[in-house]
Amino acid sequence: AQSVTQPDIHITVSEGASLELRCNYSYGATPYLFWYVQSPGQGLQLLLKYFSGDTLVQGIKGFEAEFKRSQSSFNLRKPSVHWSDAAEYFCAVGGLLSGGGADGLTFGKGTHLIIQP
Amino acid sequence: KAGVTQTPRYLIKTRGQQVTLSCSPISGHRSVSWYQQTPGQGLQFLFEYFSETQRNKGNFPGRFSGRQFSNSRSEMNVSTLELGDSALYLCASSYSGSSGETQYFGPGTRLLVL
Repeated sequence: AQSVTQPDIHITVSEGASLELRCNYSYGATPYLFWYVQSPGQGLQLLLKYFSGDTLVQGIKGFEAEFKRSQSSFNLRKPSVHWSDAAEYFCAVGGLLSGGGADGLTFGKGTHLIIQP
Repeated sequence: KAGVTQTPRYLIKTRGQQVTLSCSPISGHRSVSWYQQTPGQGLQFLFEYFSETQRNKGNFPGRFSGRQFSNSRSEMNVSTLELGDSALYLCASSYSGSSGETQYFGPGTRLLVL
């Protein structure tokens, strides 16, 4: 069964500092990988996704992520965080169902990002 | 284009009651998925509908059911509510529900069971 691990429950970063959020996945086939962000009381917004090709993926709001198959990782990075980046970040994995159709996304437990002034 | 809308946004019910939540996908999207989010279990996949048919189902009891209408709007029903059903229920839509296709999430319905 697929699984996603986000080892860091909370991360505190100073405004302007760089950020890396870790994500490790387990999936039996070629994974589709996603990073979503959730602000308090809101739904999920897609930051970026990886299907194939270039392993360094650019997303919105200055985020990027690198897929490393050998490490089963898909870490999210940002060179300089802003106070508005404070939120909950979720890594998710999905894939191809044998019968077709949407394979429900499997999410990690999330990383709560705190920005210090 | 309007985003995914969910109604109601907040709901309070008592144990044993049933509840129906509604989701209107982005115009043109035919796949609707439902997720439950709780502090303890995180985000968990409930089921996915496409063209009024349930194509995929997560590991939830039969008290959780859903349906989709011809206009792609979807409803989720939970019968015989339990305290543990208190959660944020998120709906997501995509064009065809193909693997890897971006799912766009609504703001959720927050259900509190007393």
